[in-house]
Amino acid sequence: TQLLEQSPQFLSIQEGENLTVYCNSSSVFSSLQWYRQEPGEGPVLLVTVVTGGEVKKLKRLTFQFGDARKDSSLHITAAQPGDTGLYLCAGAGAGGTSYGKLTFGQGTILTVHP
Amino acid sequence: EPEVTQTPSHQVTQMGQEVILRCVPISNHLYFYWYRQILGQKVEFLVSFYNNEISEKSEIFDDQFSVERPDGSNFTLKIRSTKLEDSAMYFCASSEGAWDTEAFFGQGTRLTVV
Repeated sequence: TQLLEQSPQFLSIQEGENLTVYCNSSSVFSSLQWYRQEPGEGPVLLVTVVTGGEVKKLKRLTFQFGDARKDSSLHITAAQPGDTGLYLCAGAGAGGTSYGKLTFGQGTILTVHP
Repeated sequence: EPEVTQTPSHQVTQMGQEVILRCVPISNHLYFYWYRQILGQKVEFLVSFYNNEISEKSEIFDDQFSVERPDGSNFTLKIRSTKLEDSAMYFCASSEGAWDTEAFFGQGTRLTVV
C-alpha cells in the first residue's frame, strides 16, 4: 500500500505570511499532482510535477518534486485570504500501479486571516 | 474549457437499493476513474477503466460495485445494494494518458444512504 503523508493537517496564518505544505512517502511516484478542493466540490488540479528535482511556479505558489520522486512541497509566498482552502497532494504510478491510479494525502486545510 | 460532469449532484437512497452514478468524461480522454471521499477522510481510489475494461481496482471495489461505459460519452458507477457506509462523495475523473497523468475531476455526487 502506497501512503502519502501530508503535513501539516491544519495551517492558520495571517495575510502576507509564507507557508510550506509537505507531502512525503516511502514510495517512488512517476508523477505527483497538487489539487485544491473547495467544500462540496471536486479537486481542481493546480500542477503536475514529473521529473525528480523539478520546480514549478504558479504565481505565488511554488511546487517542488524531490530528487528521488518520493516527496513534494508546496510553498505559498505572501499568502492571501483567497488562498484559503483544502490542498491535496496525490501521487501516480507508485509501485508499478497502472493507468493513473492516484494515491491522495489527507490534505492540508489552510486558513489565511486578513 | 472542457470539464468532467457528474449527475446527480446529490442522491439519497434507502439501504439495500441500487444506485447508478453518472459521469461524462472529457471527450478526448481515454482513462476514466471513480474515487470516493467519506466525510472528513481522504480521497480514495475505487477503480480505473481503459479500453472498455477495468484496469485496476482497489479493495473497496467489491462485487457490489460495477462500472460501465454504455455509450461513447457516459461512464457509470453502479452500487448494487447500498449500505450505510457507502455514504460519501463520489468523484469521477478522466485523463488523456496514464503514467504522467493529469486527472481532471468532476464536481462529485453526494450519496446519502438512509
